[in-house]
Amino acid sequence: EAGVAQSPRYKIIEKRQSVAFWCNPISGHATLYWYQQILGQGPKLLIQFQNNGVVDDSQLPKDRFSAERLKGVDSTLKIQPAKLEDSAVYLCASSPIGGQVRLANYGYTFGSGTRLTVV
Amino acid sequence: DAKTTQPPSMDCAEGRAANLPCNHSTISGNEYVYWYRQIHSQGPQYIIHGLKNNETNEMASLIITEDRKSSTLILPHATLRDTAVYYCIVRVLYSGNTPLVFGKGTRLSVIA
Repeated sequence: EAGVAQSPRYKIIEKRQSVAFWCNPISGHATLYWYQQILGQGPKLLIQFQNNGVVDDSQLPKDRFSAERLKGVDSTLKIQPAKLEDSAVYLCASSPIGGQVRLANYGYTFGSGTRLTVV
Repeated sequence: DAKTTQPPSMDCAEGRAANLPCNHSTISGNEYVYWYRQIHSQGPQYIIHGLKNNETNEMASLIITEDRKSSTLILPHATLRDTAVYYCIVRVLYSGNTPLVFGKGTRLSVIA
C-alpha cells in the first residue's frame, strides 16, 4: 500500500511570507495529524482531523497557522506570515478509525515531512 | 507532555547489542509501551509495543520490568543503519484516534 505523501520536501522562505504544505494520507484513513518538529526535539502535535472535522487544534498557533481537510482526504497546512521560529520539519501522519488490530502499529503511519527554513 | 524519560544519547559498536532504557514510572494499567525510531530526514517508524510481557519481532526485543515502571529496547546486532533517534511512548492501546505524544528520545549512534 502507498504511504503518506507530503510535498514539497523542502521549502525556504523569507520571514513574513506565506507557505503551504500538502499531505495525502493512506487511502481509507479517516484520521490525519499534523506535527511540527523543531531541530533536536520530538514531534509536537499541531492539529488532528477525523474525516473533515477538527478533533484537536489546541496546539495550533491560530494567529498564523491554519489547516483544512475539505473532503476528508487531502489536507493543507498554511503559515501566514511566517516567523523565524517556524523553521522546522512538518510531519503528516494518518491512521484508520478504531485501528486495524492485525497491523502491529494499528496503521499509524508518518510521511517523510516537509523541511521549512525561514530566513 | 511526554510521560517517559530517556537518556539523550548513546553509542553502540556495530554488531553489538544496543540496549535503550526508558523510564515510565507513572504508567497506568491500561497503557502500553510503544517504541518508534526516526532515521534522519524520515518520519517516525514503528518498532514494537508491549503491555507487560516481553515482546520480540524481526526488528527488536522489548523488556518491561515487572512493576512496569521501566523498559528496555534491545537491538540484538546493531548496524550502521540503526543510527537514529529512538522514542519511547506510553499510550492506551489504539482505540480510534489517539495521537502519539513524543518526548526528545534517545539519539543512538552506531559506530563502525
